[in-house]
Amino acid sequence: DQQVKQNSPSLSVQEGRISILNCDYTNSMFDYFLWYKKYPAEGPTFLISISSIKDKNEDGRFTVFLNKSAKHLSLHIVPSQPGDSAVYFCAASGTASKLTFGTGTRLQVTL
Amino acid sequence: DVKVTQSSRYLVKRTGEKVFLECVQDMDHENMFWYRQDPGLGLRLIYFSYDVKMKEKGDIPEGYSVSREKKERFSLILESASTNQTSMYLCAGGGISSYNEQFFGPGTRLTVL
Repeated sequence: DQQVKQNSPSLSVQEGRISILNCDYTNSMFDYFLWYKKYPAEGPTFLISISSIKDKNEDGRFTVFLNKSAKHLSLHIVPSQPGDSAVYFCAASGTASKLTFGTGTRLQVTL
Repeated sequence: DVKVTQSSRYLVKRTGEKVFLECVQDMDHENMFWYRQDPGLGLRLIYFSYDVKMKEKGDIPEGYSVSREKKERFSLILESASTNQTSMYLCAGGGISSYNEQFFGPGTRLTVL
């Protein structure tokens, strides 16, 4: 049972435009959500998080929105840059320090 | 930040071999995790450990075991490697912040022939 889903395996965006990556979850007990970025042949690196009691968190070009009623979150990157090209994983935190990851979305930012 | 290192970046083994993947973290964190990453499946948790000599099964523990003899070191063991264990293996430490952020190593790309 996939508790965290990223339904778009890939996304292509022009440089300077907005990238929107989506994530859905099923478990209402998740209390934090995180986004990780992964380049090929490297480990994932933490990007941004949001608490389940908030609906928005912003850090520079990155903003995460949470819609609890829809069990949906999204990561917005504005403006997109070529260096943002990577695989993005959504993750949810519940009990026991564990994270449940989505399947990832490959973002390509074109010139 | 936690720094996590993994003993090998690339590894090629034969079916039936015993394989050891080593992971070391340089901070005093109790929690360590082993994942595998496969296309279309994301990161799946194999095993994790809350403390020395303690281990818990993750979502896909079959065919794997782990060892945590020292706080900084967490080893993943494939007792008898099979071709379906060809994957990217990622070790992580952390999970103690309020949002359970984990810090990942660079990964080991394991190929089982």
